[in-house]
Amino acid sequence: DTEVTQTPKHLVMGMTNKKSLKCEQHMGHRAMYWYKQKAKKPPELMFVYSYEKLSINESVPSRFSPECPNSSLLNLHLHALQPEDSALYLCASSPTSAGQQALYFGPGTRLTVL
Amino acid sequence: EDQVTQSPEALRLQEGESSSLNCSYTVSGLRGLFWYRQDPGKGPEFLFTLYSAGEEKEKERLKATLTKKESFLHITAPKPEDSATYLCAVQGSGGSNYKLTFGKGTLLTVNP
Repeated sequence: DTEVTQTPKHLVMGMTNKKSLKCEQHMGHRAMYWYKQKAKKPPELMFVYSYEKLSINESVPSRFSPECPNSSLLNLHLHALQPEDSALYLCASSPTSAGQQALYFGPGTRLTVL
Repeated sequence: EDQVTQSPEALRLQEGESSSLNCSYTVSGLRGLFWYRQDPGKGPEFLFTLYSAGEEKEKERLKATLTKKESFLHITAPKPEDSATYLCAVQGSGGSNYKLTFGKGTLLTVNP
């Protein structure tokens, strides 16, 4: 099973809302990632978790709050977002944090902030 | 800083018309070069990893090759279902183990 799942597929939220994106993988991977992708642009790294600990935060605003409850799950909590945060949010995983390993991406959550 | 440049930005082919996509890179110590396929509104789908110059990988109609400065994705006798954006990414030894630097992608359209 080489699948990463993400829910919801689409999300529309107002600037005062609080919502969460969810990601799950059952490949036994120990590194999980959040990426943001705007239209016609490559994915941009936001956060990296390695063995359930936050390893990298790419200077992401605090209105995005990641959480890794266990080795299979990754959440992204959203609060007080801005319209410019509208994008495709991608979750990915890799076997370990050792590098040289391909990332496996989920289908993404299309987020629209009104 | 690692850099990746993909060309062309867009490529339109007739079904069966073979061609190649280019990925030029500068990196301080290549740890890996990755090719992904991305359909509109979907997440990137992993295709290949290449680690050293001279390495080649094949999958169906796709073949990826690597030199010290660039990688090519050769598409043989493409079909309309090969239409997608193809992304190239590198991981260098100078930065974090996790950091991939992506190119902007090549949008491939295969007409029947």
